[in-house]
Amino acid sequence: QAGLTQPPSVSKDLGQTATLTCTGNSNNVGNQGVAWLQHHQGHPPKLVSYRNDNRPSGISERFSASRSGNTASLTITGLQPEDEADYYCSTWDTGLSGWVFGGGTKLTVL
Amino acid sequence: EVQLLESGGGLVQPGGSLRLSCAASGLTFSTYGMNWARQAPGKGLEWVSGISDNGERTYYADSVKGRFAISRDNPKNTLFLQMTSLRAEDTAIYYCAKEEGPGWGGFDLWGQGTVVTVSS
Repeated sequence: QAGLTQPPSVSKDLGQTATLTCTGNSNNVGNQGVAWLQHHQGHPPKLVSYRNDNRPSGISERFSASRSGNTASLTITGLQPEDEADYYCSTWDTGLSGWVFGGGTKLTVL
Repeated sequence: EVQLLESGGGLVQPGGSLRLSCAASGLTFSTYGMNWARQAPGKGLEWVSGISDNGERTYYADSVKGRFAISRDNPKNTLFLQMTSLRAEDTAIYYCAKEEGPGWGGFDLWGQGTVVTVSS
């Protein structure tokens, strides 16, 4: 199952801004809503953004997402220690008739 | 409280079968598409299978097509995953996940996961 492309790791200092990217194609990111998940190991994944740029109730305003063409982005401002986690993008793929996930980005807050 | 609770994981030999269950509570189960996803040791999340709100449409990843079957019992608020011809590479934490709404919005509720180990 072809997936979405995410950088394996991103490191930023406490209080800085991190922008995570997710690249797909016209069958998925380019024409379907993209969601972002935060995953701390040992816990279930948590939705932090859906339908490209919507923030679920209870998610900090420091998290924002967008999409341009076949690339989606998740921006986290004012990085906190608790933001250190794995982040996955996901969307529906019309060619595969199934959901696809990115490989995940490990965000390290220094 | 809105929650999903998986069960049925365990140790099984290669070629064996296992049936996972996911009990939903605190939500109108029959109005949401439901899915199974997994995470193998040291790997990222992988979508496994999905089913529409009324159970009429099912979807599978290529890696499990023909071996796994998803189903649901709406009156009992329960999702199932029947796994057959299991392989070592099916070893993973299996999560059930609820779709945010119609139109492929993402998964907004996840269970705690159940561990499946395929080994002789």
